[in-house]
Amino acid sequence: AQSVTQLGSHVSVSEGALVLLRCNYSSSVPPYLFWYVQYPNQGLQLLLKYTSAATLVKGINGFEAEFKKSETSFHLTKPSAHMSDAAEYFCAVRPSNFGNEKLTFGTGTRLTIIP
Amino acid sequence: NAGVTQTPKFQVLKTGQSMTLQCAQDMNHNSMYWYRQDPGMGLRLIYYSASEGTTDKGEVPNGYNVSRLNKREFSLRLESAAPSQTSVYFCASSEEGYYSYNEQFFGPGTRLTVL
Repeated sequence: AQSVTQLGSHVSVSEGALVLLRCNYSSSVPPYLFWYVQYPNQGLQLLLKYTSAATLVKGINGFEAEFKKSETSFHLTKPSAHMSDAAEYFCAVRPSNFGNEKLTFGTGTRLTIIP
Repeated sequence: NAGVTQTPKFQVLKTGQSMTLQCAQDMNHNSMYWYRQDPGMGLRLIYYSASEGTTDKGEVPNGYNVSRLNKREFSLRLESAAPSQTSVYFCASSEEGYYSYNEQFFGPGTRLTVL
């Protein structure tokens, strides 16, 4: 069984401030973890993914996430928020074993950037 | 290279009507998925297809049927629409293998309202 919990359905930060979006996972086998972003009226696109190669993962648009096994967390960060970062962000998990490809998504965090 | 395409973009149905949502991908992916997105609930898997000719139920399959017409196309059918099926529907595809990590590529979505 696998699940993800995203703490905070809405997060607001000022332009130029640190962005921190939280994700905790539960998985019975070593997981792969993903962050997706959804801009208004669009589909989801991949920001970054953890596949056990490195615990600190860098993605597009200046985002990064760190896999912490001891905390079962995969929080998303960006040092300096930009207005264009306003979107909804989803954390997702899947088992790492081949043949079990279903993703489980969190409920999402809507990020608002304050000018 | 269009990626994942979905038709229609918008649809309004009356209770009891039927319709089929179409999805096609041009990335030669084996796996395809149908999700629904509802406020505060993230994305929930309706059905998926690991390869041409196979389909499996996801988390919320009731009221839906699917057809994997060929490798490119995966359709979702509502036989008798209900107001509870008002949602945004996303199709996705991915390449599954020993050295792939199930990055799913999403279509732009279909916004369905059932009156």
